[in-house]
Amino acid sequence: GNSVTQMEGPVTLSEEAFLTINCTYTATGYPSLFWYVQYPGEGLQLLLKATKADDKGSNKGFEATYRKETTSFHLEKGSVQVSDSAVYFCALLLSGGYQKVTFGIGTKLQVIP
Amino acid sequence: DVKVTQSSRYLVKRTGEKVFLECVQDMDHENMFWYRQDPGLGLRLIYFSYDVKMKEKGDIPEGYSVSREKKERFSLILESASTNQTSMYLCASRFPRTSGKETQYFGPGTRLLVL
Repeated sequence: GNSVTQMEGPVTLSEEAFLTINCTYTATGYPSLFWYVQYPGEGLQLLLKATKADDKGSNKGFEATYRKETTSFHLEKGSVQVSDSAVYFCALLLSGGYQKVTFGIGTKLQVIP
Repeated sequence: DVKVTQSSRYLVKRTGEKVFLECVQDMDHENMFWYRQDPGLGLRLIYFSYDVKMKEKGDIPEGYSVSREKKERFSLILESASTNQTSMYLCASRFPRTSGKETQYFGPGTRLLVL
């Protein structure tokens, strides 16, 4: 079946540190890949996405590259801020008739001043 | 701005009660979804709907039902609430996969406590 694997965390970083959150996936077709973010007390919102191999999604200083050969979509940011503290979800959506997004379990990020 | 609203942010119910969670979206999305979010388990899909009066079971439909009488509204029903249904419930909506508009929009969530 389809699945997304990411560490649960929490990941604790100091402000201005480099962030990597790993995400790998298993899919039977050619998925679109997403990172969603959930700030405390809120629902999820799209952070970035990539729809085909070698695409790079970017937003708010975050980046992730769709790597088909390693089935990965790792999230990176060069310098995190306290305001980046949130839960980050990697997700995939298959091409074709499938309508369901498959989410990872979410990685909690805590950034301390 | 797309808005997905949920009827309550917090709910406290008793075991055996019938519980209704309402979700409304204002972007004319065909697809709507109900998830529950639990620590260590992430988001799990309960039900989804791809059109009015159409529904499909997700990964954990047991103990839940849904209703979609109007395009903008998708209701989750707990017929007889149990303590293991204490959770955060998230509603989401989206255009169909074939539209090329793949972003899923979420409501703020309803935190349900069943005593």
